[in-house]
Amino acid sequence: DGGITQSPKYLFRKEGQNVTLSCEQNLNHDAMYWYRQDPGQGLRLIYYSQIVNDFQKGDIAEGYSVSREKKESFPLTVTSAQKNPTAFYLCASKLIQDNQPQHFGDGTRLSIL
Amino acid sequence: RKEVEQDPGPFNVPEGATVAFNCTYSNSASQSFFWYRQDCRKEPKLLMSVYSSGNEDGRFTAQLNRASQYISLLIRDSKLSDSATYLCAVNRGSGAGSYQLTFGKGTKLSVIP
Repeated sequence: DGGITQSPKYLFRKEGQNVTLSCEQNLNHDAMYWYRQDPGQGLRLIYYSQIVNDFQKGDIAEGYSVSREKKESFPLTVTSAQKNPTAFYLCASKLIQDNQPQHFGDGTRLSIL
Repeated sequence: RKEVEQDPGPFNVPEGATVAFNCTYSNSASQSFFWYRQDCRKEPKLLMSVYSSGNEDGRFTAQLNRASQYISLLIRDSKLSDSATYLCAVNRGSGAGSYQLTFGKGTKLSVIP
């Protein structure tokens, strides 16, 4: 099955802990994205990557880190510096050509213990 | 003016009704436009891209008005299964911005029997 797989579906973080959210895609998409969605809010861009070994900060990158060592994978680490991490995290990917839409994984819900 | 703004919801309509959503955007350099559908506690799913000449997919019609900088989504003959939140997404212009989308906060639609 082609698609974008996020894991885990639910994640709990303790104070002072770093946690990593996985995002894998087998669509051969070039660009990958991480968004955060809070209740009643739109999607906010955390980080994005257009190509392997390169990534850019989005609008709310503080407290987060990413890597893009493989085309298929774009993990997001929520560090202890992110003081309000409780949210729905969505990974997306797209072909690099203009006018191509982004497609989303089914998300990870992160909560504080 | 916010980058992307949508009609405030919720829209409660009877089955069979026609409903229209608007979405205004502030960046005149934006080139790509999309409508997504998001069910409760799920990821956004692409409903349709919006083309310059307007486009239709079954009961759904999308239109772009560049002069007034808005896109619209028309749903005819509403079904109960159309109940969801509808998000518009607009790219951030040219260059690096062409790879990034700004999402509206969404408009909630409830179709009532």
